[in-house]
Amino acid sequence: AQSVTQPDIHITVSEGASLELRCNYSYGATPYLFWYVQSPGQGLQLLLKYFSGDTLVQGIKGFEAEFKRSQSSFNLRKPSVHWSDAAEYFCAVGVGGADGLTFGKGTHLIIQP
Amino acid sequence: NAGVMQNPRHLVRRRGQEARLRCSPMKGHSHVYWYRQLPEEGLKFMVYLQKENIIDESGMPKERFSAEFPKEGPSILRIQQVVRGDSAAYFCASSPFGTMNTGELFFGEGSRLTVL
Repeated sequence: AQSVTQPDIHITVSEGASLELRCNYSYGATPYLFWYVQSPGQGLQLLLKYFSGDTLVQGIKGFEAEFKRSQSSFNLRKPSVHWSDAAEYFCAVGVGGADGLTFGKGTHLIIQP
Repeated sequence: NAGVMQNPRHLVRRRGQEARLRCSPMKGHSHVYWYRQLPEEGLKFMVYLQKENIIDESGMPKERFSAEFPKEGPSILRIQQVVRGDSAAYFCASSPFGTMNTGELFFGEGSRLTVL
């Protein structure tokens, strides 16, 4: 079965600084990869997704992520964070079939003024 | 522009009562998923349904929990005889293609159950 690891439970970044959130997955083949963001008390919004092709994918709100097969990683990046980016970020993998998506435990992003 | 609609947003129950959570998928989506989010945890898959069919309920607790997605009306997640450990946020997601595609899901805002 597939699994997702987000090694950082909390990350604090100063406003305007760059951001990288880590995500590693375990699966025998290349899965479909997603990043979702959850603001407090809200549902999950899709930031970006990787299915195939170019390993650098662009998403909404200025986010991007890079799929690295050799490292089984799909790290999320943003060159300059804004206070409104403070939220919970979830990495997820999908493998098709009837398993839905498998989520990591999330990374809580705190933005310092 | 209706997305996935869940209600109630917040529900308080006493131990032993029943909780019913409803989910209306996005227009044109006929596949529904329920996930549970416990404090400090990620989302755990519970069940995947299509209209009138349960496709995968491997994540559902064996007792007290049930789900349905009738031909007409919303999907319902039902928890009987709730216990404090059922306190969580329950998220519904829908998809137009089911899990035979890449698995992209569209989420509702969740129903937060508190068991006293």
